[in-house]
Amino acid sequence: DAGVTQSPTHLIKTRGQQVTLRCSPISGHKSVSWYQQVLGQGPQFIFQYYEKEERGRGNFPDRFSARQFPNYSSELNVNALLLGDSALYLCASSFWDRGREQYFGPGTRLTVT
Amino acid sequence: LAKTTQPISMDSYEGQEVNITCSHNNIATNDYITWYQQFPSQGPRFIIQGYKTKVTNEVASLFIPADRKSSTLSLPRVSLSDTAVYYCLVGDEDDMRFGAGTRLTVKP
Repeated sequence: DAGVTQSPTHLIKTRGQQVTLRCSPISGHKSVSWYQQVLGQGPQFIFQYYEKEERGRGNFPDRFSARQFPNYSSELNVNALLLGDSALYLCASSFWDRGREQYFGPGTRLTVT
Repeated sequence: LAKTTQPISMDSYEGQEVNITCSHNNIATNDYITWYQQFPSQGPRFIIQGYKTKVTNEVASLFIPADRKSSTLSLPRVSLSDTAVYYCLVGDEDDMRFGAGTRLTVKP
């Protein structure tokens, strides 16, 4: 079975630009969560969607937004990019709500210059 | 939200059993305890989850005492490929957060 897939793998953007990251969950999983991981730190929770509804939001500015589609795939959008947004963005899917077993994708490495 | 405390790093040798303990003194009644493993430039991988007592799967065991204020991840007979960062998470279904993790280095 295919795992969680994310695209693109790597991305380079300039300050002030906008970026859209995509995630496809494991088949049958209805929950998708997004995390930001800065080098040397643990993943920080950004958003969770379950059955296409936002179920949780971390401590991130309004420049970050997300949505989940009817096929349970998801997009994370970041506007007005800052240098500090450079990180590995991880998507995780779960059959349950976020607290239960989550399966992570390989991540998208975003570099803001 | 229960905060977790884990050792920053640990060293071990191939073939040894490794036990990583996580403290979570403020764990709530509804909180689960979950462990993930992460290799560099990869997403975390689910290892094991428990609520109380002992849980075992093909990869690891999780020991949780009666007061649930700590938990221990046990990795039997580690190999070089077990070198990774291990995260302990405590939370309910709506709120689970990663800490800084424990960097395990397995030496030959």
